[in-house]
Amino acid sequence: EAGVTQFPSHSVIEKGQTVTLRCDPISGHDNLYWYRRVMGKEIKFLLHFVKESKQDESGMPNNRFLAERTGGTYSTLKVQPAELEDSGVYFCASSQVSDSEAFFGQGTRLTVV
Amino acid sequence: AQSVTQLGSHVSVSEGALVLLRCNYSSSVPPYLFWYVQYPNQGLQLLLKYTTGATLVKGINGFEAEFKKSETSFHLTKPSAHMSDAAEYFCAVTVRSSNTGKLIFGQGTTLQVKP
Repeated sequence: EAGVTQFPSHSVIEKGQTVTLRCDPISGHDNLYWYRRVMGKEIKFLLHFVKESKQDESGMPNNRFLAERTGGTYSTLKVQPAELEDSGVYFCASSQVSDSEAFFGQGTRLTVV
Repeated sequence: AQSVTQLGSHVSVSEGALVLLRCNYSSSVPPYLFWYVQYPNQGLQLLLKYTTGATLVKGINGFEAEFKKSETSFHLTKPSAHMSDAAEYFCAVTVRSSNTGKLIFGQGTTLQVKP
């Protein structure tokens, strides 16, 4: 069974550009989470989807971040326009139900220069 | 509000020595507690978790952790370190019976194992 897959693994973009990160959860997992780790800091929750609906988006830093999960399968996280402070590792995780084990992807390392 | 504090961002032990990674949490409601490990270029992998029941929890690769409510701690231990244990370890907490499984993480502890 495939695990949680994230694309790309690395992305380097210039300040002001747009970047879209993708997450493919484990098949059948209704719950999908995005987290972010800025260098030197803890991993922080961004948002939680249940199927295609946003259950909790309290961690989204500002309106430059847009997450979607059309059809309740894969999810995208778009940053537009990117700022230097957006650099970090973006993790995606999925679970069958909200309080079951969450499986994490390998992360996307985003560098904004 | 919940929070997690991991004491020591870097811990170094010799191969064969005891591993002790410290985690203290703050939660106004009974928590679920987790330890995750991240090996280089990989995602986070669940080592073990405490939900209810026995307070000493055993996980993969010989790790275990004990939930101590009175000390609000969930320290991770392994009797004998192996070179392959070198990785970054994260303690995390979530709220029981919530409709979201979002995790609150500590800052992470990098474990170095010396030969």
